[in-house]
Amino acid sequence: KAGVTQTPRYLIKTRGQQVTLSCSPISGHRSVSWYQQTPGQGLQFLFEYFSETQRNKGNFPGRFSGRQFSNSRSEMNVSTLELGDSALYLCASFIGLAGGTGTDTQYFGPGTRLTVL
Amino acid sequence: KNQVEQSPQSLIILEGKNCTLQCNYTVSPFSNLRWYKQDTGRGPVSLTIMTFSENTKSNGRYTATLDADTKQSSLHITASQLSDSASYICVVSAKGGGADGLTFGKGTHLIIQP
Repeated sequence: KAGVTQTPRYLIKTRGQQVTLSCSPISGHRSVSWYQQTPGQGLQFLFEYFSETQRNKGNFPGRFSGRQFSNSRSEMNVSTLELGDSALYLCASFIGLAGGTGTDTQYFGPGTRLTVL
Repeated sequence: KNQVEQSPQSLIILEGKNCTLQCNYTVSPFSNLRWYKQDTGRGPVSLTIMTFSENTKSNGRYTATLDADTKQSSLHITASQLSDSASYICVVSAKGGGADGLTFGKGTHLIIQP
C-alpha cells in the first residue's frame, strides 16, 4: 500500500508570496491533518479535514487555509508569506478522526520544507 | 492546558548501549499515548501506541511503558544502532477529540555514536 505523499518536497519563496502544498493520503483514509514543525516549537496542529469538511482548526492566522477534495487529497495554502512561516509542513492521514478513542495509526508524509526569504 | 514534556532534550550514547527517554503529560481525559520516531528531514513514523489499560508495549528493540497514575511514559531502546539516531516524539491523545486533541511533545534528539 502506497504511503502518504506530499508535493513538492522543497520550496523556496520570498516574503509576500503565496504557496500551495499538496498531500495525498493512503488509499481508503478519509482524514487528513496538517502540521507545522519548527525546531523551537515542535509539531503544531494546523487543521484537519474529514470527508471534504474541515473538522478542527489550530491556532494559526487566516493566512493559512486548506481544503480536501472528494478523493481525500488535500491542499494547504499560505498567503502573504512571512519569514516565520519557514518550516517543515507535514500532513498525516488516518482512517478516521485522528485523535479519537481508536488506536489506529496516523501516518505521516515526508513533509514539504518551505523556506521563506 | 494539556501539555507533554519530554526529557532529555538531546542525548548522545555509544552504539550498542541502552537508553531511556521520558515523557510526562497532563492531558485529560486521556485516550492513548504514542511514540513516534522521526529521522532528519522525514515524517514521524509510529513506534508504539498504548491505551489506559496497557502498561507496556514492545516493537523490536523499542519498549514503551505507561504509568497512567503518575502520567508518565518511557521509551527504552535496547542495544542501540546507528540507525536509531533520530528524534523521538511523544504524542498524547485526548478522548473524543480530533487531531486538535493530540498534544505533541517537542521530542528527544538521540544521537548514536560508533
